[in-house]
Amino acid sequence: QAQLVQSGPEVKKTGASVRVSCKASGYTFSNYGVAWVRRAPGQGLEWLAWISEYKDQTRYSESLQDRISVTPDKGTATVYMELRRLTSGDTAVYSCARVFHDRLTGSYYFDLWGQGTLVTVS
Amino acid sequence: DIQMTQFPSSLSASVGDKVTITCRASQSITTYVNWYQCKPGKAPRPLIQVASILQDGVPARFRGSGSGTLFTLTINGLQLEDFATYYCQHSSFPLTFGGGTKVDLK
Repeated sequence: QAQLVQSGPEVKKTGASVRVSCKASGYTFSNYGVAWVRRAPGQGLEWLAWISEYKDQTRYSESLQDRISVTPDKGTATVYMELRRLTSGDTAVYSCARVFHDRLTGSYYFDLWGQGTLVTVS
Repeated sequence: DIQMTQFPSSLSASVGDKVTITCRASQSITTYVNWYQCKPGKAPRPLIQVASILQDGVPARFRGSGSGTLFTLTINGLQLEDFATYYCQHSSFPLTFGGGTKVDLK
């Protein structure tokens, strides 16, 4: 069945970078986009980034756009999220989600989620 | 940017209760709202897209409604498995989430 499997937990120092992977399987990789979302301790969900179905377009949250990158590896159906210049405020569980783009309505919908990756910055 | 304000931030309810969660957008977004259910240690569960369309497998006690700037998620006959945190989301860019509503046991 369709699933997204993320890489394991990370512990990083302030100022470092982190890269989290999200490997898709069980569906056609080019039919869906991928988004990244995080949830910091005691906080709500925060949308971070999106990459399109064909993996040729990206959009980023305005608050993070100078520190975040999302890149694909079509050969392995994997999407990577890199966050640079980490601070303690970036400590969170980072999740990828498959994005269904309804071309009839123009809406985007996160219909499948990865298991989450804890990134701790100290 | 569009802001999504959810209220209440938390509520206490009993099994069998009717629960209503509200999400207000800072400007009109027609029906561009999704709803998700989150439980600790589990991946978020998609519930509703485009304000009112139930995801496959989601029980009919969940109902989404609204358009413009005001949207609601209603749970008719709360079940034990429904105690969770619920988020609305703007379903166009930026894909902003509301602050969440935690539903716990009274």
